[in-house]
Amino acid sequence: SQQGEEDPQALSIQEGENATMNCSYKTSINNLQWYRQNSGRGLVHLILIRSNEREKHSGRLRVTLDTSKKSSSLLITASRAADTASYFCATDNYGQNFVFGPGTRLSVLP
Amino acid sequence: NAGVTQTPKFQVLKTGQSMTLQCAQDMNHEYMSWYRQDPGMGLRLIHYSVGAGITDQGEVPNGYNVSRSTTEDFPLRLLSAAPSQTSVYFCASTTTWGVTDTQYFGPGTRLTVL
Repeated sequence: SQQGEEDPQALSIQEGENATMNCSYKTSINNLQWYRQNSGRGLVHLILIRSNEREKHSGRLRVTLDTSKKSSSLLITASRAADTASYFCATDNYGQNFVFGPGTRLSVLP
Repeated sequence: NAGVTQTPKFQVLKTGQSMTLQCAQDMNHEYMSWYRQDPGMGLRLIHYSVGAGITDQGEVPNGYNVSRSTTEDFPLRLLSAAPSQTSVYFCASTTTWGVTDTQYFGPGTRLTVL
């Protein structure tokens, strides 16, 4: 069973707009991570947020974590065509492995 | 550093054939793992290893074997390929579980089983 579920499954926006995607999970976690996957490529780590953190920034990325609601959001500001990719959240569920959600496919139109 | 490398990039097998997917990392990472990714789904963990000589099963281990004789290498063996194993396979590594937890992924192996 998948721990994380991203929402929406697909998102299409214009270049320059902001993109927000959400992740919900089921059990307590130690940390939550967001990854990007360009078509036909491996995953690239974007940002990690620990369970005792509420918000984290990295460049144009902003991640929030609400452990009471078991949810996280990833905001990409001022999107670019190069941001077109699938985005996955992954949780560690305190075990020695990660659980990935099915991902959000983001299309940024020029 | 080359990071995480995987070979081959593409492979076509017939049902019942066996093969080994290779994975190597040059970052001295202790933790390595194998995932499969099917269309419309996230990555599912097949097997993982927390160090040389130590392996464990993930979510979908049936039909796959692994071993970890060195820190650098973590091969995945398909014992008797089945069409249900058609997928893209990713190998990943991280320094030590619980320290950074950032996984570095290889480029993937696209496997088709006829």
